[in-house]
Amino acid sequence: SQKIEQNSEALNIQEGKTATLTCNYTNYSPAYLQWYRQDPGRGPVFLLLIRENEKEKRKERLKVTFDTTLKQSLFHITASQPADSATYLCAYPLAGGTSYGKLTFGQGTILTVHP
Amino acid sequence: EAGVTQFPSHSVIEKGQTVTLRCDPISGHDNLYWYRRVMGKEIKFLLHFVKESKQDESGMPNNRFLAERTGGTYSTLKVQPAELEDSGVYFCASRGSATEAFFGQGTRLTVV
Repeated sequence: SQKIEQNSEALNIQEGKTATLTCNYTNYSPAYLQWYRQDPGRGPVFLLLIRENEKEKRKERLKVTFDTTLKQSLFHITASQPADSATYLCAYPLAGGTSYGKLTFGQGTILTVHP
Repeated sequence: EAGVTQFPSHSVIEKGQTVTLRCDPISGHDNLYWYRRVMGKEIKFLLHFVKESKQDESGMPNNRFLAERTGGTYSTLKVQPAELEDSGVYFCASRGSATEAFFGQGTRLTVV
């Protein structure tokens, strides 16, 4: 069955450094991947979507890559700040579809940026 | 513009009781989704409405769960009777014509 894994439960880095989070998937070739941010007690907030024919997508200090050969997406936050501390989730379409709202989520990576 | 609103934010009920969760999507969003996160697990899809119609309810755990979206506006998710394993955080999300789905803050359900 399809599976999505975020390889770290937690990541601790110093302010100003680049945070790199990894999302791997198996038994599936998604048409796109999405990345979300979730703060405690809140719902996920959409950050970026990258399609299978895109290698890289950027938004301000965020960068996402999508390697369909490695079946992996990397999520980078450059010049990290304590305010970036949150849980970051990757997601892809459920069951081989392209519907943008029906998603399979990874378990999340808790990022802590230390001052 | 108001975001997706869920009510209540917390609910504690006894096993065997009934609970109804409500979701008010962003105005004009035809697509409405319910998700659930149980302790220690990832967020999982439950079902998808397009307007008032159920498009996909493949993620619903069993027939104790009933979702409705009368009139294609707000949606309710009823659990009857609730069991201990139903405890978790229930999220609602809505989406218009764009790719981005907007999530509510979730309802934390505790069944004791």
